[in-house]
Amino acid sequence: SYVLTQPPSVSVAPGQTARISCGGNNIGDKSVHWYQQRPGQAPVVVVHDDSDRPSGIPERFSGSNSGNTATLTISRVEAGDEADYFCQVWDSSSDHLVVFGGGTKLTVL
Amino acid sequence: EAQLVESGGGLVQPGGSLRLSCAASGFTFRSYWMHWVRQVPGKGLVWVSRIHSDGSSTTYADSVKGRFTISRDNAKNTLYLQMNSLRAEDTAVYYCARVGGMVPTSYFDYWGRGTLVTVSS
Repeated sequence: SYVLTQPPSVSVAPGQTARISCGGNNIGDKSVHWYQQRPGQAPVVVVHDDSDRPSGIPERFSGSNSGNTATLTISRVEAGDEADYFCQVWDSSSDHLVVFGGGTKLTVL
Repeated sequence: EAQLVESGGGLVQPGGSLRLSCAASGFTFRSYWMHWVRQVPGKGLVWVSRIHSDGSSTTYADSVKGRFTISRDNAKNTLYLQMNSLRAEDTAVYYCARVGGMVPTSYFDYWGRGTLVTVSS
């Protein structure tokens, strides 16, 4: 089955840039979606289709995808960005049609 | 705005059954594929099942195949998940989620707040 690998945690100071990776075999051939989940809340999409941002999501959130790694970049990090972030792809060859990464806890120092 | 509200979670013994519901509002429910996704508290998201907008097609994760049944009532704007032969490892928060846009393999644009299912004796 297809596996997405994320670092368990990323820490960054306010105002700095956070980069969260999502590794997968030839993930560059797939569309990657990113979700933010604050404690006790449902996930919210922050980037879809590698680099598109839904309305209402700040421009500080951006994404890229190439080769074996997709990356979510959060510029000028704010305290309110502290949350878990999950990447997601579709994989018809997997026993799980929809595959999520294990999640990355973003800590704002 | 679209809204999804899950209900039906609770404590059930191993081997028992439970039916989850997801009430949809604020959008044309019958036009969208719908999914169930679960999450053990403190852990990652795991996809469970999906259903076509008209209910004609369903897909399941191997871990729940043969035990769970997804269905929908478009007249009532409600999605269901019938869970039978429950196991301790099914304990999780269950979310319903909508796939946005016309492409069935697009991203999840709306999620409910989830309902907790605990399987324990």
